[in-house]
Amino acid sequence: DAKTTQPPSMDCAEGRAANLPCNHSTISGNEYVYWYRQIHSQGPQYIIHGLKNNETNEMASLIITEDRKSSTLILPHATLRDTAVYYCIVRADYGQNFVFGPGTRLSVLP
Amino acid sequence: EAGVVQSPRYKIIEKKQPVAFWCNPISGHNTLYWYLQNLGQGPELLIRYENEEAVDDSQLPKDRFSAERLKGVDSTLKIQPAELGDSAVYLCASSLESGQGEAFFGQGTRLTVV
Repeated sequence: DAKTTQPPSMDCAEGRAANLPCNHSTISGNEYVYWYRQIHSQGPQYIIHGLKNNETNEMASLIITEDRKSSTLILPHATLRDTAVYYCIVRADYGQNFVFGPGTRLSVLP
Repeated sequence: EAGVVQSPRYKIIEKKQPVAFWCNPISGHNTLYWYLQNLGQGPELLIRYENEEAVDDSQLPKDRFSAERLKGVDSTLKIQPAELGDSAVYLCASSLESGQGEAFFGQGTRLTVV
């Protein structure tokens, strides 16, 4: 079973920041938080991952709370092409599989 | 650099027929995963390889599904015989040695069993 809880769906206005929450209250000290997204009819696309520090790349920012029990993926300026299902996954770096839950369906509205 | 390549992209077969899917991972990636994705759900792991060894096949229905990864590079997933309930998207992914870091997914094969 997935170790994360996400809202089933969210809307965001085009050009605004999309903030996608994820709860992972049972995360272990050696487990990373990964985010993927899946656009319709495509395979999941890696976005970002982190252990305890906040991370930023060209796609998004990842904010992890100090107790590491939750995190937020931020898309700073959402576009229509960001409409997708977003998956939050916790995983130790060695020898574990990526376990997907149902994710959050983000709809970016014009 | 090419990503994970899967073929075919789409496959329609009659029930009870065999079917095979092929995956070529990213060069240098020793870990390979096969996932199954039903409509409206997240991907579910079928099998994970470290090089040519299947290290986790606990979710693979072994009565009809089989997989191989000869020489530790590309991989084939087979279903024989296919059932109506096998209609789904079959995804392949790869990551660096020992499962370190992120995995990269292919486009998937959409199987329809009629």
